[in-house]
Amino acid sequence: DVKVTQSSRYLVKRTGEKVFLECVQDMDHENMFWYRQDPGLGLRLIYFSYDVKMKEKGDIPEGYSVSREKKERFSLILESASTNQTSMYLCASRRTGWSTGELFFGEGSRLTVL
Amino acid sequence: DAKTTQPNSMESNEEEPVHLPCNHSTISGTDYIHWYRQLPSQGPEYVIHGLTSNVNNRMASLAIAEDRKSSTLILHRATLRDAAVYYCILRAGNNRKLIWGLGTSLAVNP
Repeated sequence: DVKVTQSSRYLVKRTGEKVFLECVQDMDHENMFWYRQDPGLGLRLIYFSYDVKMKEKGDIPEGYSVSREKKERFSLILESASTNQTSMYLCASRRTGWSTGELFFGEGSRLTVL
Repeated sequence: DAKTTQPNSMESNEEEPVHLPCNHSTISGTDYIHWYRQLPSQGPEYVIHGLTSNVNNRMASLAIAEDRKSSTLILHRATLRDAAVYYCILRAGNNRKLIWGLGTSLAVNP
C-alpha cells in the first residue's frame, strides 16, 4: 500500500523555537508538496519540490524553508516559530507527468505554537 | 489563476445518489478538473479527475459540462463513510500546482 508518512501527528512548540516537520514517501515520486490548512482558508501551498535538491516557493513561503536531500524525504522547517504558524500541515507527493494526476497525502501534523 | 466555486455544505441520505456541483467559469483549455475528499482527521484523498470527457471509476463519476465551466461529482450510492469535505480543484498549466477551494462538506444521514 502506498504511503506518505509525516513524522508527528501533534506538536506543541514555543514562540521562537526551530521546528522540523518531516515527510517520507515510499512511492519513488518526483514531486513533493507542503501545504497548510486553516479553517476558512482551505489548503495553501507553502513549498514544493519537483526533484532532489530542487524547490519552488508556493503561495505562502514566508517564514518557512524546505530541504530535499533524498528523493523520498521532504522536510519543512520553521526557523523561528510564531503563533500565526499554528496550523495543520499536510505533506503530499505525486509522480510527475500529465497523465497521472493523483496526489497522495499524509495524515497531517497539527502544530500549536504557544 | 482559475478558481472553483462550490456550495459550503450538502446533505444526503444513505444509499441515495449525490450530485456535488462545482463552477469553474475561468478554466483554461489545459486545466484538468480534480476532485479530492477529506475525511475527518485525515489528509485529503484523490477521488477522480478529467479534462473534457465524463469519467468513471470505482469511487465516483465525473460529469463535465460541454463548455467546461462546470462539473459534477456523482456518488451513485452514498454511504456513511462518504461523509467528508469534497474539493473541486483545477490543475494549473505548469503541471505542479493545484488550486484548492474551500470544498463542500457532505453530511450523509442514516
